[in-house]
Amino acid sequence: QSALTQPPSASGSPGQSVTISCTGTNSDVGGYDFVSWYQQHPGKAPKLLIYEVSKRPSGVPDRFSGSKSGNTASLTVSGLQAEDEADYYCSSLVSSTNYVFGTGTKVTVL
Amino acid sequence: EVQLEESGGRVVRPGGSLRLSCAASGFIFDDHGLNWVRQVPGKGLEWISFINWNGGSTAYADSVKGRFTISRDTAKNSLYLQMNSLRAEDTALYYCARLQLLGDAFDVWGQGTMVTVSS
Repeated sequence: QSALTQPPSASGSPGQSVTISCTGTNSDVGGYDFVSWYQQHPGKAPKLLIYEVSKRPSGVPDRFSGSKSGNTASLTVSGLQAEDEADYYCSSLVSSTNYVFGTGTKVTVL
Repeated sequence: EVQLEESGGRVVRPGGSLRLSCAASGFIFDDHGLNWVRQVPGKGLEWISFINWNGGSTAYADSVKGRFTISRDTAKNSLYLQMNSLRAEDTALYYCARLQLLGDAFDVWGQGTMVTVSS
């Protein structure tokens, strides 16, 4: 199973929006509405931001939103803040028990 | 507080074996599937193994299939990863991650335990 494809980097100024794509295939992203997104700060464990394409766990600001079209999922961070500078990973169910992560995107707040 | 805490990581020779543990607390252990995810320092996340709530179903990434075995012990609220025939490319930080109740996202993560395979 190949990793989902994400752009290596993305950036924006404080207050702006940034969108990260996550491209897979009909066997993963396109085949299931079980795409999730994670934020990882340096030296820290990943944190769940979005599940089932567009749902936010309690405590995650509504500045974070997710969507999907065909084989590509997207994460949008609106109103960028300094603390949003981190690595972001998508993940998808591949079969009933297998999962795959994206290649990761480093977001820089300019 | 819901928590996962990994242990067991160390330096091991190529071809060697190691067992990682993950102690769970603060939630009903039997309610959740559990996973191991690894990350080479400075690189991305790689899902490597899943076990369902009662241990009756397991799955592995191709990169570890046949060499690693996932298991869980309800009495000890613990998850394990038996790693055999270790290779240099298995060097990574190993996280245990809880699967959502009735979902397919990893909603709780431990802090990781480092495995280094080197002669």
